[in-house]
Amino acid sequence: AQSVTQLGSHVSVSEGALVLLRCNYSSSVPPYLFWYVQYPNQGLQLLLKYTTGATLVKGINGFEAEFKKSETSFHLTKPSAHMSDAAEYFCAVSDDNDMRFGAGTRLTVKP
Amino acid sequence: DTAVSQTPKYLVTQMGNDKSIKCEQNLGHDTMYWYKQDSKKFLKIMFSYNNKELIINETVPNRFSPKSPDKAHLNLHINSLELGDSAVYFCASSQESQGRNTIYFGEGSWLTVV
Repeated sequence: AQSVTQLGSHVSVSEGALVLLRCNYSSSVPPYLFWYVQYPNQGLQLLLKYTTGATLVKGINGFEAEFKKSETSFHLTKPSAHMSDAAEYFCAVSDDNDMRFGAGTRLTVKP
Repeated sequence: DTAVSQTPKYLVTQMGNDKSIKCEQNLGHDTMYWYKQDSKKFLKIMFSYNNKELIINETVPNRFSPKSPDKAHLNLHINSLELGDSAVYFCASSQESQGRNTIYFGEGSWLTVV
């Protein structure tokens, strides 16, 4: 069985500061890994995903994530936070059968 | 055009009522889903459905039932609504069964049971 743990249910950064949202997974097979973002009163939309190949994945809105097999991690980063980045972020892991979502991390951006 | 659309977006209803949420996807996907998001933002899959197979999360009460008139639609019917059913319900779709495919979500339906 696979699972996802997002460390920190709430992260607060200042505008212009580095954003780091942590995600660790467990999977018995090589995983596919995803980050989704949910803006207030909206559905989830895909930020980026890792399937195979290059372990550093770039997504929309300046976000990127690095797959580290040795650490079973897929942390999401952005060099400089913008006010519009305030949202809920979900990490997800999938195998051949299903996709499991983490509990989410709420990102707050202070002016 | 919205890829996955669901209606209504907001629904307030009384306990005991029966209600439906409609969902349509125009992506040509084979698989559709219903997810429930609780007040703590935790996402739980309720159903996944394609032409061949309906997979039901065993923890979902049988008051909830999906109905698919065709590949592009998956409606959610809820009978005898209870206070605990208040949540946001998301319809979603993917090219094939859940597995390794990107899932595309609708904008959600906010259900409040009073």
